Amino acid sequence: GEDVEQSLFLSVREGDSSVINCTYTDSSSTYLYWYKQEPGAGLQLLTYIFSNMDMKQDQRLTVLLNKKDKHLSLRIADTQTGDSAIYFCAESRTSGTYKYIFGTGTRLKVLA
Amino acid sequence: EPEVTQTPSHQVTQMGQEVILRCVPISNHLYFYWYRQILGQKVEFLVSFYNNEISEKSEIFDDQFSVERPDGSNFTLKIRSTKLEDSAMYFCASRPTGPKNIQYFGAGTRLSVL
Repeated sequence: GEDVEQSLFLSVREGDSSVINCTYTDSSSTYLYWYKQEPGAGLQLLTYIFSNMDMKQDQRLTVLLNKKDKHLSLRIADTQTGDSAIYFCAESRTSGTYKYIFGTGTRLKVLA
Repeated sequence: EPEVTQTPSHQVTQMGQEVILRCVPISNHLYFYWYRQILGQKVEFLVSFYNNEISEKSEIFDDQFSVERPDGSNFTLKIRSTKLEDSAMYFCASRPTGPKNIQYFGAGTRLSVL
């Protein structure tokens, strides 16, 4: 089946690292994405990873993929108040319509 | 930078009325999608569209929903007779051909059915 799960809330202090976790169930998924949604705004692509990779780094963002456990994480280094938002992971396959299956979203609150 | 635009940003309608949500995808993209997000819930796939036809639709996308690409630039979602439970944020997305399947999302239309 298709299901993507995330923890609902995360609170961190400014300057600390944030780690947002995601688990998925569809083993045929080969693309995984992280999107950020600020209040009242749309979905902004942060980063993505292909299933043949286990890590990807992009400035303050590090994505780790454990394909065996179907576990994806997003680490934000030196978290800032502007990082406060909802973070969605999403998966898609490499065939068919490539629709996204989104996780429940994790609300990150950064405390000053 | 090219972006997906959606209008209106907020639509208020009475139950039973028809609404049309409009999207202008990025110009060289060929694949189009609608998703919706009921307040506090996850973003759900509604429909995908390619080559002027629906390529996949979810269980949510029943006979009350339709999509159209009336000209070379717009992509619309019509809800024929709105229900209270249609109240949600509707996102349009588009993507180019290529292996990465990166979808670009609009800012959304918030639909409020009264």
